[in-house]
Amino acid sequence: GQQVMQIPQYQHVQEGEDFTTYCNSSTTLSNIQWYKQRPGGHPVFLIQLVKSGEVKKQKRLTFQFGEAKKNSSLHITATQTTDVGTYFCAEGGSNYKLTFGKGTLLTVNP
Amino acid sequence: DGGITQSPKYLFRKEGQNVTLSCEQNLNHDAMYWYRQDPGQGLRLIYYSQIVNDFQKGDIAEGYSVSREKKESFPLTVTSAQKNPTAFYLCASNRGGYNEQFFGPGTRLTVL
Repeated sequence: GQQVMQIPQYQHVQEGEDFTTYCNSSTTLSNIQWYKQRPGGHPVFLIQLVKSGEVKKQKRLTFQFGEAKKNSSLHITATQTTDVGTYFCAEGGSNYKLTFGKGTLLTVNP
Repeated sequence: DGGITQSPKYLFRKEGQNVTLSCEQNLNHDAMYWYRQDPGQGLRLIYYSQIVNDFQKGDIAEGYSVSREKKESFPLTVTSAQKNPTAFYLCASNRGGYNEQFFGPGTRLTVL
């Protein structure tokens, strides 16, 4: 099935630094969803991007969908310890299935 | 409270035994999903159901079975044919289509 490659696999930052995770595909993505999973928890939906070049913001989080709809990114400005967790992108494919990337684990040093 | 419940949180079984994981939702969602999560592997789709009495195989259905007799319930059976069943199992539901998925707290299965 469709594969979305997510990088980096791990990212460690100092509190206050910015963080970005990328989701890439060799083929056009119909839509992208982003989820966050806290350590020991379950994934929680953050946002969905559908349109080419779309940019959405949620407080310190900025989500982008590439112009060619082959990539997406999640950027966190001035990270806080509450941002710790694994961030997953997921592509909505045929038959309404989601294909998840392997995730980026973010750790924040206070 | 509306939400998705999975029970139990931790489950231990001996090799060769079938085990059924429970997933119940009271969100009135049409669609339900089962995922498996292994360290560093992200979430992989096992089975999904868009409507009662119908379900489809996901990417890793071998060794698993499901039923969808009621809208609220989507139990997953891990059979003895599943070669590496130890994992974290997550159930999710949504209104169907590409709507956001809501996840349950998960069941961590360990096969000894």
